[in-house]
Amino acid sequence: EAGVAQSPRYKIIEKRQSVAFWCNPISGHATLYWYQQILGQGPKLLIQFQNNGVVDDSQLPKDRFSAERLKGVDSTLKIQPAKLEDSAVYLCASLAAGQGAKTQYFGPGTRLLVL
Amino acid sequence: KQEVTQIPAALSVPEGENLVLNCSFTDSAIYNLQWFRQDPGKGLTSLLLIQSSQREQTSGRLNASLDKSSGRSTLYIAASQPGDSATYLCARIATVDSNYQLIWGAGTKLIIKP
Repeated sequence: EAGVAQSPRYKIIEKRQSVAFWCNPISGHATLYWYQQILGQGPKLLIQFQNNGVVDDSQLPKDRFSAERLKGVDSTLKIQPAKLEDSAVYLCASLAAGQGAKTQYFGPGTRLLVL
Repeated sequence: KQEVTQIPAALSVPEGENLVLNCSFTDSAIYNLQWFRQDPGKGLTSLLLIQSSQREQTSGRLNASLDKSSGRSTLYIAASQPGDSATYLCARIATVDSNYQLIWGAGTKLIIKP
């Protein structure tokens, strides 16, 4: 079974530029999460999708961040314009549907450096 | 506010030692709790998931316990090896408006010295 794929793995941009990250979850996983992880901290949930609908984006800085999952499969996260404090690792995770104890599966992350 | 705290933030021990990582949470109405491992430049890998009805889970040299009454979980690593060096994060599994989410600690960075 293929894992969660993310690209690019690394990105360096200057402040005020835009950047986009891509995630392809495990096949059949209905729920997709985007997290921001700043160095030395735990992941912070940015947005949660159920199929192609947003179920929680309460911590997404909507003035600069946007995300979509148009066909309920892969997803993109965009930052425009980027700020220095956006430097972090952006993690994508997916979760299978159904009841019972479940675990999220994580991609390798995209490491963003804003200069 | 739901919070998860991990102590210590960093730990360095010689190879072969047994060690304990601690995780505490403020909300006693816990559902499940999960321990993850994070290697540099990589994503998170689930190690153990303890359901709220359980007291512990074991996998190889790892044992995780859950004490809901005290709001604590521990991850015990037996006979540590250099390959165990990584950051270990605990996460409380929450259901927020019927949405399955994780509430994270900041992690403990573990270094095992050969």
